[in-house]
Amino acid sequence: QVTLKESGPGILQPSQTLSLTCSFSGFSLSTYGMCVGWIRQSSGKGLEWLANIWWNDDKYYNPSLKNRLTISKDTSNNQAFLKITNMDTADTATYYCARRAPGQGYFDYWGQGVMVTVSS
Amino acid sequence: IQLTQSPSLLSASVGDRVTLSCKGSQNINNYLAWYQQKLGEAPKLLIYNTNSLQTGIPSRFSGSGSGTDYTLTISSLQPEDVATYFCYQYNNGLTFGSGTKLEIK
Repeated sequence: QVTLKESGPGILQPSQTLSLTCSFSGFSLSTYGMCVGWIRQSSGKGLEWLANIWWNDDKYYNPSLKNRLTISKDTSNNQAFLKITNMDTADTATYYCARRAPGQGYFDYWGQGVMVTVSS
Repeated sequence: IQLTQSPSLLSASVGDRVTLSCKGSQNINNYLAWYQQKLGEAPKLLIYNTNSLQTGIPSRFSGSGSGTDYTLTISSLQPEDVATYFCYQYNNGLTFGSGTKLEIK
């Protein structure tokens, strides 16, 4: 059974760096073809894909946010991470991690999401 | 690729046949999925590759389309189908539509 769960700080101040963790089970990010992505959802911009990390450590970022994003993984502990620098109130959103269906472009399993509020 | 969903809000009666639209700014080559999101929950995959039904999804849901125009159809609307539906393309970049909110009349 595939499950994912996000964790994060909940609230942070403008200009701070957001660090998110995705803990998953039911698959391994060391398996050929596996990929985990991060997606966020805000009332202003809807659903927005942020970044993907693959089993071979290839990384892909949303071009509009690329200079602020860093995705990484810890295969031995079944975790993926996302850092976003220089957070702004516009980054207030629910952040999801999701598994990309093996060999496919769509996300088949999603975490429950973690709400992140940026406020001074 | 930008995705435009219509209508943004749809009100229909139980038992109705419901059609939701998703139009791409470029050819999507059938690399389109549909997600259902109920209030307070994560998106749930319904349809992938335009018309393939995800395991466990009721057969009243179906997808169709080609090129830039795609459709999600619910053949007989049920009360539990109240949700927002998003399309998502993975042909060129990864983008989501803005959603159609489906209500029961």
